[in-house]
Amino acid sequence: KAGVTQTPRYLIKTRGQQVTLSCSPISGHRSVSWYQQTPGQGLQFLFEYFSETQRNKGNFPGRFSGRQFSNSRSEMNVSTLELGDSALYLCASSTGTGINNEQFFGPGTRLTVL
Amino acid sequence: KNQVEQSPQSLIILEGKNCTLQCNYTVSPFSNLRWYKQDTGRGPVSLTIMTFSENTKSNGRYTATLDADTKQSSLHITASQLSDSASYICVVTLTGGGNKLTFGTGTQLKVEL
Repeated sequence: KAGVTQTPRYLIKTRGQQVTLSCSPISGHRSVSWYQQTPGQGLQFLFEYFSETQRNKGNFPGRFSGRQFSNSRSEMNVSTLELGDSALYLCASSTGTGINNEQFFGPGTRLTVL
Repeated sequence: KNQVEQSPQSLIILEGKNCTLQCNYTVSPFSNLRWYKQDTGRGPVSLTIMTFSENTKSNGRYTATLDADTKQSSLHITASQLSDSASYICVVTLTGGGNKLTFGTGTQLKVEL
């Protein structure tokens, strides 16, 4: 089975621009979660989607948004980019939203904001 | 504020030696505690997951322990290998939080010859 894939792997943007990141979960997985990882803050939860519905949301501003499609693929969008948005964005998929479901992470998208 | 703190922040050991990483958490109530291994430039990979009622869980040379009373967990690595060099992250799931995970800042382990 193919693992979680994320595209693009690397991205360079300038302040004020917007960006869209894509995540394809493992086949059969219906839950997709997004995380931001920075050296200072570590890994932080952004949001979780299940069956095209946002189930949980972390403490990030409204500039961060996401969506999930009927095939479980997910995208996250960051508008009006700031320097502090430079980070590794990780996507993880699981079979459901159960608390003991194992999450499988993708390789991440490295976003650099100049 | 829910927090997960890990120690030490970084650690260097010789190949073949054992080591123990610590995790203290204040997340409450929690459903499970996980340990992940993250290689540089890669996504985290799950090593163990323990519910609040479990005390220990092993995965090969990795053994995790959990004391829910003191809110402490440890990850013991036996007979370390060069490939164990990575960041080890302790993660706690809030009860009722679905897949909303609270992450520790990690311990950076380097195994040298």
